Amino acid sequence: GDSVTQMEGPVTLSEEAFLTINCTYTATGYPSLFWYVQYPGEGLQLLLKATKADDKGSNKGFEATYRKETTSFHLEKGSVQVSDSAVYFCALSDFNGALIFGKGTTLSVSS
Amino acid sequence: GAGVSQSPSNKVTEKGKDVELRCDPISGHTALYWYRQSLGQGLEFLIYFQGNSAPDKSGLPSDRFSAERTGGSVSTLTIQRTQQEDSAVYLCASSSGGGQNTYEQYFGPGTRLTVT
Repeated sequence: GDSVTQMEGPVTLSEEAFLTINCTYTATGYPSLFWYVQYPGEGLQLLLKATKADDKGSNKGFEATYRKETTSFHLEKGSVQVSDSAVYFCALSDFNGALIFGKGTTLSVSS
Repeated sequence: GAGVSQSPSNKVTEKGKDVELRCDPISGHTALYWYRQSLGQGLEFLIYFQGNSAPDKSGLPSDRFSAERTGGSVSTLTIQRTQQEDSAVYLCASSSGGGQNTYEQYFGPGTRLTVT
């Protein structure tokens, strides 16, 4: 079945460092791809999405490009802030729209 | 406007008891999803509703789990004869569309279930 694999955490960075969180997927169809974020004490919220190959999703300085040839959707940010500390989940949507999530990557940014 | 709400926020129950978890989706959202978040398994899909129908129940882990949705709105997830492995945070999400879609799912704060 469909699945998502993302890099294990935790990822620890200093403020203003470059961030990459790797995500690859396996799917029989052409899913939409998402990054969700869970800030401490808060619920899951959508960070960005891409619906077809070569689409780039972006929000709050984060970007991810839907790469069909490498089945990847890596999350990047050029300069992280302390406020970006959170758990990040890569996900794809199946034919019913149900989300299949990766295990999550904890990001900790220190000043 | 109001987001997705869930109740109770925390539930502690004894092994073998039944529990009911409630989800109030965003008004007008036709699609509703239940997920479970646990340390061992991460985030898992449980069931999908489109209106009052559940075309996809494939994620329900056993026949002790059931869910219903009434009036195209409120949904209840019921776990019978709870086991310790049912301990998790149960999340509900709603969206304005279902099926192969790009609609954003809005998540509730979750119900933390602890089975003792």
